[in-house]
Amino acid sequence: LAKTTQPISMDSYEGQEVNITCSHNNIATNDYITWYQQFPSQGPRFIIQGYKTKVTNEVASLFIPADRKSSTLSLPRVSLSDTAVYYCLVGDIGALNYGGATNKLIFGTGTLLAVQP
Amino acid sequence: NAGVTQTPKFRVLKTGQSMTLLCAQDMNHEYMYWYRQDPGMGLRLIHYSVGEGTTAKGEVPDGYNVSRLKKQNFLLGLESAAPSQTSVYFCASSPIGTSITRRTDTQYFGPGTRLTVL
Repeated sequence: LAKTTQPISMDSYEGQEVNITCSHNNIATNDYITWYQQFPSQGPRFIIQGYKTKVTNEVASLFIPADRKSSTLSLPRVSLSDTAVYYCLVGDIGALNYGGATNKLIFGTGTLLAVQP
Repeated sequence: NAGVTQTPKFRVLKTGQSMTLLCAQDMNHEYMYWYRQDPGMGLRLIHYSVGEGTTAKGEVPDGYNVSRLKKQNFLLGLESAAPSQTSVYFCASSPIGTSITRRTDTQYFGPGTRLTVL
């Protein structure tokens, strides 16, 4: 079971870089790592996804070490609007076609990032 | 392009009542999901569907039923609501993707339905 563990909360100030780490010791070979952002009263929103090494897009970077047992979401120069809950999801949706998906889409409890002025 | 929409946004039920939550997506996605989110907890998968006419159980399926008669719609039913089913329900969809940058695992979520069972 690819359970994920994240810090419950983090504090930061505007303009700083924030790194949120997720542990997933039981990650399977075909699992991808996906990060979502959720604002109050909204559904989660995709941020970034990766399999190994480093992935970067217009909003974040994702660092994944060679053993893939953890991953770090990096948010450059955060602003007040980045205050949200961040979820790490480890899974392989492709496995849904073959059943046994109950352990394939496990969200952690998320990390509440509070950005202050 | 509305994305994923959910109906209704809010609902209050009495114990034992039934209701159906509707999820609709206009992105032609193959996969659809129903999650519930409780305070202090992450999202837990209730049921999912890998295509029209198919459904399967997720992590917490008891007390719920689903149907996917049309590709764009995924219905979640509560036959006899219980207070333990008080929660926020999220629907999501995802494509069959082979893009290097955006796989099938990328889920698009609706705005949620807040359900209270008294």
